[in-house]
Amino acid sequence: DIQMTQSPSSLSVSLGDNVTFTCEASENIYGFLAWYQQKLGKAPKLLIYGATNLEDGVPTRFSGSGSWTNYSLTISSLEPEDIATYYCQNNHVYPDTFGAGTKLELK
Amino acid sequence: EVQLVESGGGLVQPGRSLKLSCVASGFTFSNYGMNWIRQAPGKGLEWVAYISSGSSYIYYAETVKGRFTISRDNAKNTLYLQMTSLRSEDTALYYCARRSSPRGVMDAWGQGASVTVSS
Repeated sequence: DIQMTQSPSSLSVSLGDNVTFTCEASENIYGFLAWYQQKLGKAPKLLIYGATNLEDGVPTRFSGSGSWTNYSLTISSLEPEDIATYYCQNNHVYPDTFGAGTKLELK
Repeated sequence: EVQLVESGGGLVQPGRSLKLSCVASGFTFSNYGMNWIRQAPGKGLEWVAYISSGSSYIYYAETVKGRFTISRDNAKNTLYLQMTSLRSEDTALYYCARRSSPRGVMDAWGQGASVTVSS
């Protein structure tokens, strides 16, 4: 199975910050990488697919990048509603595997 | 509006069985593959199972293979997860999620059904 390693596991942030966190796959996943946002007590929400493509309705302050095994999610000018846990997901081959998540916390 | 509504969760003893359902609305259910994903309390997301739109392709996580069965009834717009030989480590919130093709991502999620395995 492809292992997905996210870092950091948590990040202390301030509103207005530009925030970047990463996801590394144990092998090449050819850009088949998705990012999900999960707020406390809610179901995950798709943010980005194909490593760089923004899902409809997702604010443009979210952006994804990367290729091969290394990917990142950037939030520009953090808003209060962005406080959540973010998961990356390999959807190149089954089993789909998720990273352990990066939890954003306000300073 | 796309909606996925899970039901059937509850408290069950180890070794017993439970069947989850997920009723879909707001889209053509028979056109989409579907997944079950679970989240243990305070933990991350774990993909559990996938079924293709016509039930031709089915995949399971190794942790549930042989114990869980995913199925669907396209006439009833309903996805199922039959869980047998339940273990304490199966305790989790179980989400059904639509798999968008060809993007291959989960673009719609239910609110989850809680399963607690305990004596």
